[in-house]
Order: sequence, then structure tokens, then C-alpha cells
Amino acid sequence: GESVGLHLPTLSVQEGDNSIINCAYSNSASDYFIWYKQESGKGPQFIIDIRSNMDKRQGQRVTVLLNKTVKHLSLQIAATQPGDSAVYFCAETPYGNNRLAFGKGNQVVVIP
Amino acid sequence: EAGVTQFPSHSVIEKGQTVTLRCDPISGHDNLYWYRRVMGKEIKFLLHFVKESKQDESGMPNNRFLAERTGGTYSTLKVQPAELEDSGVYFCAGRIRGAGPYSNQPQHFGDGTRLSIL
Repeated sequence: GESVGLHLPTLSVQEGDNSIINCAYSNSASDYFIWYKQESGKGPQFIIDIRSNMDKRQGQRVTVLLNKTVKHLSLQIAATQPGDSAVYFCAETPYGNNRLAFGKGNQVVVIP
Repeated sequence: EAGVTQFPSHSVIEKGQTVTLRCDPISGHDNLYWYRRVMGKEIKFLLHFVKESKQDESGMPNNRFLAERTGGTYSTLKVQPAELEDSGVYFCAGRIRGAGPYSNQPQHFGDGTRLSIL
């Protein structure tokens, strides 16, 4: 798949446990952040987003936390399921909602 | 609603040849973006169209790459001549019409074209 050669950080999590994926960003001018999920052979799939005027946003089984002070973003997945196994990317937009800057990605492996 | 469609899914060509990638965004997505991931690197922005106009092509690596979006619907990305370092996965994304730079509408991606240069 596309992850070959990337040597991504890997998080192994037991099915049913909660997962936390972290992302550090560098541009303090970024004001919109997105988490994407990518399965092998597929494109990035939107999960959840958050604007810089918020520090927390919840979706279905997912929560994104934003700490602008330390430029840190996290994605929490509740009750992780086998279908959650994928590579997760954070992306930021320092130029409005256009030119996305992606992080390196984190591989999540769910153990049944 | 159909998603973003990219064609071909995989292309294998020899160095020096020409390849054209195509992207059909979701209907109504006037904003169209090209990105690519070369081996071992992050996904990187290439360029941004609003309808048929190029808004930002600052990520295009060199003049061997030409993107077009005639009529403001589908887009093509041509690589001529292809070099070994062009190998990677090329993604297209779209974003909804009328969404200003600070809207909360995310970019929706296609499954990409895997380009292999031999």
C-alpha cells in the first residue's frame, strides 16, 4: 500500500479500547484543522474538523482536541473497532481552507 | 452522490514518456485541488482551481507538470516528460461551491492515481 517506505508511528490498540492519535503542527497561523483516515488503496477520507476558535469538537465516536498554545492536535476514537485500522493524518490550513499541509500520518492497528 | 473519481487508478510508464491523469470532482465542487505523495514523504499540495481558473499553483514542482480544468468541471494533470522522481500517488480533492476561505467545508479526496515511472 501507500504506507510502504513511510515508516509511520504505529499505535496498536485492543478492539473496544479507546485510541488517541496525536499530531503536532508548526504554523501558528493555521486556523482550520482536519483529521483524515486513509485505508490501503484509498484516498484520505474526512473524519472531523475543528476551527481555531474551538478547543474541542465531537463527532460519532470521535473527538478532536486542539491546543493552540502548544500547537497540538489529537484525535480520540472511542470503542475502537477493526474497521478503524488505517493511517490517520492531521491536516492544517495556514492559507484559508485551501492549501492543506499534511502531517506524516499514524498507523492504527486494531487487535481483535 | 458520486464521490471524486480519478482515472487511471494505476499507471506504469517509462521515463521520458507522457502521462495524463484525470479527476472528476463531485458535482458543484468548484474548488478542485491536486496533491501528491512521493515515496517516503507526506502528502503535498500541488495546485488549486476555482472553476477553470488556477488560484494557486505554488506547489507544482516544475514545468513538466501541466494542470488544466477547461469548462470548470473535470481536471487533467499531465506530466511530460516523466522522470523517475515523479513516481508516487496523485490525489485530487474537491470542495463545495461558494465555500469561502473560512468556511467549514472540508476537502473531499479521490482514491488517487498511483504513478510508477520505470
